[in-house]
Amino acid sequence: ETGVTQTPRHLVMGMTNKKSLKCEQHLGHNAMYWYKQSAKKPLELMFVYSLEERVENNSVPSRFSPECPNSSHLFLHLHTLQPEDSALYLCASSPQVGRDTQYFGPGTRLTVL
Amino acid sequence: EDKVVQSPLSLVVHEGDTVTLNCSYEVTNFRSLLWYKQEKKAPTFLFMLTSSGIEKKSGRLSSILDKKELFSILNITATQTGDSAVYLCAVEPRGSTLGRLYFGRGTQLTVWP
Repeated sequence: ETGVTQTPRHLVMGMTNKKSLKCEQHLGHNAMYWYKQSAKKPLELMFVYSLEERVENNSVPSRFSPECPNSSHLFLHLHTLQPEDSALYLCASSPQVGRDTQYFGPGTRLTVL
Repeated sequence: EDKVVQSPLSLVVHEGDTVTLNCSYEVTNFRSLLWYKQEKKAPTFLFMLTSSGIEKKSGRLSSILDKKELFSILNITATQTGDSAVYLCAVEPRGSTLGRLYFGRGTQLTVWP
């Protein structure tokens, strides 16, 4: 069983909706990440948080807004998305930023209509 | 331009076959190379390689790194249908404080009974 959980597992939303993705890690890690995986493309890093502070925004559009209230929880708030934002969104955590293996959650399959 | 290139992109074999998956990379100040198995959603960590010529083994899977030639291979012997998955290679630069991993596009392995 993974130590990183994500909810919901599937989400369908319209372009005018506002929704949030949630990630929780039970591993005691200090770093958390959001990745986007689109069909036929490599995993893309979106955001990195270390001890609840954002250390990288990898030029992600502002319609994606992350929130990290504590080192165990990470949210991705979604607003006015586009159909091309449909993808698998993966959360990961690691003991420290830039060190050691990242452990992934099961992902949220997002479809934007 | 991709920094991590995996080949082949897809591979179909029969149970019992041995397969070799390739990963070449071009990253400044290499720190580590990681292999993941992605069956449906979450990538599952397989190996982390940091030194050349030292084989890592886990059951029927093994991997080795060549830092001079900038590539790694993942071997799977006596394949089983449960090995069917996408195998991802990722490279982490040294000194990265941003948790950045560069992923390849993956190799889709299908094992037929």
